[in-house]
Amino acid sequence: DSGVTQTPKHLITATGQRVTLRCSPRSGDLSVYWYQQSLDQGLQFLIQYYNGEERAKGNILERFSAQQFPDLHSELNLSSLELGDSALYFCASSVEVTDTREQFFGPGTRLTVL
Amino acid sequence: AQSVTQPDIHITVSEGASLELRCNYSYGATPYLFWYVQSPGQGLQLLLKYFSGDTLVQGIKGFEAEFKRSQSSFNLRKPSVHWSDAAEYFCAVMTYNNNDMRFGAGTRLTVKP
Repeated sequence: DSGVTQTPKHLITATGQRVTLRCSPRSGDLSVYWYQQSLDQGLQFLIQYYNGEERAKGNILERFSAQQFPDLHSELNLSSLELGDSALYFCASSVEVTDTREQFFGPGTRLTVL
Repeated sequence: AQSVTQPDIHITVSEGASLELRCNYSYGATPYLFWYVQSPGQGLQLLLKYFSGDTLVQGIKGFEAEFKRSQSSFNLRKPSVHWSDAAEYFCAVMTYNNNDMRFGAGTRLTVKP
């Protein structure tokens, strides 16, 4: 158990809909990262938040957005869903000290878009 | 362009045999290097990491990896594979001033009894 929790575990929805994925980082970790894992794209970095502020952006679509709240939990919002958005979405957290880059991954949320 | 390559998509080894999973990277400078393992339906677990110093790093579950700057490689090894090692293994890199972790495509390990 990494200490990172994600809810829900599974999500099934229809095209055009909007969903919210939630992540709670390990106690004490200020950084949260979101990744998408799909069969055709592999594991891709989406976005990072550090202590409530966006820190880095990867291959995140404009239809997707994220935020980190004062209690440090984070939410990834996916809207206007398409079939191709079906994937496993991982959240990771880290201490974010410059010489420590280890990220701890949650169990993921499996999104199925029908 | 920055990239991480795991040349082997799928490897099958017999239980008790040795294992080496390959990882090559293409970055401007020496990055932070990681190996993660993912069991079916699970998240990613860190096996080991290299930041600097000794180029041979030890990890959990009996794994080790060697950083070779001249070859831009960070291969994962285990002297004797156990059936429970069957999983997907990912090499990942991150640069010093960038929080964008790049993953290789993964190598799926099958262990024969």
